[in-house]
Amino acid sequence: DSGVTQTPKHLITATGQRVTLRCSPRSGDLSVYWYQQSLDQGLQFLIQYYNGEERAKGNILERFSAQQFPDLHSELNLSSLELGDSALYFCASSGDWTSGGLQETQYFGPGTRLLVL
Amino acid sequence: DQQVKQNSPSLSVQEGRISILNCDYTNSMFDYFLWYKKYPAEGPTFLISISSIKDKNEDGRFTVFLNKSAKHLSLHIVPSQPGDSAVYFCAASAFGSGTYKYIFGTGTRLKVLA
Repeated sequence: DSGVTQTPKHLITATGQRVTLRCSPRSGDLSVYWYQQSLDQGLQFLIQYYNGEERAKGNILERFSAQQFPDLHSELNLSSLELGDSALYFCASSGDWTSGGLQETQYFGPGTRLLVL
Repeated sequence: DQQVKQNSPSLSVQEGRISILNCDYTNSMFDYFLWYKKYPAEGPTFLISISSIKDKNEDGRFTVFLNKSAKHLSLHIVPSQPGDSAVYFCAASAFGSGTYKYIFGTGTRLKVLA
């Protein structure tokens, strides 16, 4: 158990709909990262939040957005869903690397499997 | 452009033998490398990492080797066990635009045969 939790585990929805995925980081971790894994693909970085603020963006579509709340949990919002958005969505968290400059390992949640029909 | 490549999608190894998983990268700015293991229906689990100032890091049955000049890293599992059967992802990290960003390979599916 990594200490990172994600809900829901599975989500089935229709094209055009909007869904929200939720992530709670490990206790004490300030950074949350979102990744997408499509079939036979590696993990594609979407976006990172650090202590409530957006820190980095990757290959995130404009239809997708995220936020991190004061309690450090994060939500990934996916709207106007398309068939190609069907994938596994992972959240990861890491500690505060900014103070010591030492890179912190990312720890992953179990993922949310999204199926768009 | 795939900055981190795992060219072998799958690998089968006999129990007790050595498993060697390979990973190549193109960006010389990467300075931290990690291996994750993923079982079906679970998230990736951190396995072992190595900083670019080292060329080897060992943790029990797992050893990661880094060859910076060749931009190549490998994960050795000795001896391999059936429970090691999983998908292994390598990841490389570099600092830029105020944060560390991980780039993952596409994974190698390891099957350890009993």
